[in-house]
Amino acid sequence: EPEVTQTPSHQVTQMGQEVILRCVPISNHLYFYWYRQILGQKVEFLVSFYNNEISEKSEIFDDQFSVERPDGSNFTLKIRSTKLEDSAMYFCASSVGQGATKNIQYFGAGTRLSVL
Amino acid sequence: KNEVEQSPQNLTAQEGEFITINCSYSVGISALHWLQQHPGGGIVSLFMLSSGKKKHGRLIATINIQEKHSSLHITASHPRDSAVYICAVRGSNYKLTFGKGTLLTVNP
Repeated sequence: EPEVTQTPSHQVTQMGQEVILRCVPISNHLYFYWYRQILGQKVEFLVSFYNNEISEKSEIFDDQFSVERPDGSNFTLKIRSTKLEDSAMYFCASSVGQGATKNIQYFGAGTRLSVL
Repeated sequence: KNEVEQSPQNLTAQEGEFITINCSYSVGISALHWLQQHPGGGIVSLFMLSSGKKKHGRLIATINIQEKHSSLHITASHPRDSAVYICAVRGSNYKLTFGKGTLLTVNP
């Protein structure tokens, strides 16, 4: 069964460093998402992406964050200068479309980001 | 802003019991998702609903749009069902708003 894959599974970085979290969505999916979950808290939406541009972003997704689809398969989340409070599990998801029957989002296993 | 509330927060059951997890939301939605999160952290989509009822194996999800309420039922629960069950709603835009989740523990 097709799946969303995320790499790495765990990323440790020093405060102030740049990190890139990588995702390979399901191949025929057109909509891509990033979510994060701080330990012990609920999952929060960060950004959605379609047709090579951001469709929607939350207030969390400030200038320190960016997303990119550099080629036909990868979807990346970059954090420019990490802060301690960026430590969280980051989930990538993708869906075929946005309509009522096409919006089932398939999630990756997540990348745990630890900022020291 | 949609507020998504789940109940109960924690649920412990004996194997074989019928489980119900509830979700209510404050603003009209276009779809509601039920998700399962295992201890390792990965998230699996169980259902997406915009009306009525869906069934998959021992799992049943229902939604009442007028009452802004959805339930997830598990029949004949099993220890492998132990996980966090999360309700998430989608409004007119693309993003999902998540509940805090219900931690289900099924004892053998």
